[in-house]
Amino acid sequence: GQSLEQPSEVTAVEGAIVQINCTYQTSGFNGLFWYQQHAGEAPTFLSYNVLDGLEEKGRFSSFLSRSKGYSYLLLKELQMKDSASYFCAVRATGGSYIPTFGRGTSLIVHP
Amino acid sequence: GAGVSQTPSNKVTEKGKYVELRCDPISGHTALYWYRQSLGQGPEFLIYFQGTGAADDSGLPNDRFFAVRPEGSVSTLKIQRTERGDSAVYLCASSELTGMNTGELFFGEGSRLTVL
Repeated sequence: GQSLEQPSEVTAVEGAIVQINCTYQTSGFNGLFWYQQHAGEAPTFLSYNVLDGLEEKGRFSSFLSRSKGYSYLLLKELQMKDSASYFCAVRATGGSYIPTFGRGTSLIVHP
Repeated sequence: GAGVSQTPSNKVTEKGKYVELRCDPISGHTALYWYRQSLGQGPEFLIYFQGTGAADDSGLPNDRFFAVRPEGSVSTLKIQRTERGDSAVYLCASSELTGMNTGELFFGEGSRLTVL
């Protein structure tokens, strides 16, 4: 099975940079996703990492270290609209391609 | 359609009743997932379909829960003898896994179930 750990809440100031960490344990690794979810809305895909290193996509970047079972999501130039919950999800090997989600990190951006 | 569509968006029922929740995935997506999300928690896996068959139903909490996808497109999640603990948002997602993409999940808005 898989287990994931994320901080429950992170706060930051508008315009700042914030990092949301995710540690995971899995019997076989086949990719890690980050999703954003605004209150009352569907989760939306942000990023995917399957190899070690940093993936950059505009203001959002995601990092993966498979040997450490560790990922982070980096958000730059924070905006008020970035206030949301952020979930990491691990996909295991074995053919089912079923992502297991963490409990999520609530990001609160202050003016 | 343009995205994953779920109906109803809200369902209030009484303890012991039967409910059906419908999911219409993105056209052409062969993989379909049902998750359940409680307040302040991440999505919890229930069942996964590849085409018409349930490839993995290990997340269904008990035999009161059942899901079908008879023609490989629309899926229905069925809950018998509902209990108050079944209250949650039921999320449906679809994806298209190929060697050329990440296979990310596209989620619907969810069906909020409240059991009184």
